[in-house]
Amino acid sequence: EAQVTQNPRYLITVTGKKLTVTCSQNMNHEYMSWYRQDPGLGLRQIYYSMNVEVTDKGDVPEGYKVSRKEKRNFPLILESPSPNQTSLYFCASSLIDGYEQYFGPGTRLTVT
Amino acid sequence: SQQGEEDPQALSIQEGENATMNCSYKTSINNLQWYRQNSGRGLVHLILIRSNEREKHSGRLRVTLDTSKKSSSLLITASRAADTASYFCAPETSGTYKYIFGTGTRLKVLA
Repeated sequence: EAQVTQNPRYLITVTGKKLTVTCSQNMNHEYMSWYRQDPGLGLRQIYYSMNVEVTDKGDVPEGYKVSRKEKRNFPLILESPSPNQTSLYFCASSLIDGYEQYFGPGTRLTVT
Repeated sequence: SQQGEEDPQALSIQEGENATMNCSYKTSINNLQWYRQNSGRGLVHLILIRSNEREKHSGRLRVTLDTSKKSSSLLITASRAADTASYFCAPETSGTYKYIFGTGTRLKVLA
């Protein structure tokens, strides 16, 4: 089944404790992206990747890192999480840029 | 930065009626996509319209794009209770690979 998976789905952590949210797609897509969704603010793009080893900043990259070492994986790294990074995170992928995006189920992160 | 802004923020209609949602954006675009989200779940792609297209249909969905007014509309005909969801537009800014979603329109279809 074609899908985008994210892990974990729910995470409660403390300020400053490094964490990684994994994202994987099985559709051989070149374009991958991370978004965060907050009430009243909609979805905002954090980082995107056009292909392996090609990443760029979205609208709200501060406090986040990404890597794209393999085509199927695009992990989101929070080196030192803070409470303002409490949010619902979505990973998405598309065949190439400019095509429909397939979204993962979301990761609900709480930083205390 | 550019943002897709949906209007209205919330819409409540009776089953069988049509629902129209509008999206405005600020700069030139490569394409504009519409997505649906059910209650905090992942987004589902509905339709993509490219900057050189004016109208597209998919089942009960009709999307129009007016690049001169920098606006798009999504029409859902003969709505059903299952259409209850939030709807987002996502314009892709020309010359970039970035999408900036709006805050969405919350549609409620009453049975």
